[in-house]
Amino acid sequence: QKEVEQNSGPLSVPEGAIASLNCTYSDRGSQSFFWYRQYSGKSPELIMFIYSNGDKEDGRFTAQLNKASQYVSLLIRDSQPSDSATYLCAGGIASGGSYIPTFGRGTSLIVHP
Amino acid sequence: DGGITQSPKYLFRKEGQNVTLSCEQNLNHDAMYWYRQDPGQGLRLIYYSQIVNDFQKGDIAEGYSVSREKKESFPLTVTSAQKNPTAFYLCASSIATAAQYFGPGTRLTVL
Repeated sequence: QKEVEQNSGPLSVPEGAIASLNCTYSDRGSQSFFWYRQYSGKSPELIMFIYSNGDKEDGRFTAQLNKASQYVSLLIRDSQPSDSATYLCAGGIASGGSYIPTFGRGTSLIVHP
Repeated sequence: DGGITQSPKYLFRKEGQNVTLSCEQNLNHDAMYWYRQDPGQGLRLIYYSQIVNDFQKGDIAEGYSVSREKKESFPLTVTSAQKNPTAFYLCASSIATAAQYFGPGTRLTVL
């Protein structure tokens, strides 16, 4: 059973702080990892992807991947109230030319002024 | 503008009724997916398709059916065999092993 685990939260951080969201996965064959942001009542929106060990930065967001320890994390610097949402982690394997992901249940982030 | 559209935004189903959810994309993506999301839950894969006229069952395919007659379209039918269909349904597409892009979703409620 392939699983992606996330702490459901909520994770509450003050405005301007760093929010750290974590995700672990069970399938060592997982190759690609994605972070999605989902506002209440809306569909998920891709914010980051990472394939290789190490860090990947994009603006205020940094994704970190450690395949040996089977975890992925997302750091949000200078958190804003508009970052308040549920963050979904997804990992998966390429199969027959397609990517079949497994999603975690998501971590709720609250950024308070 | 390129993107994924889903219709309707809200759908109500009566007992014993089949309903079809529409999903269209103009991103020229080969792969398309259907997910179900229940409150406080993650996304569960219903069906996916990598090419036209071919599709595979996901984790929770029972009570659902799909077709892929065109690259742009991947409709989902929720049949009367699906006993608990009330949920948020999300369609996504991707290029092979790349990230998935989601449509706005359809919220289905059983009356």
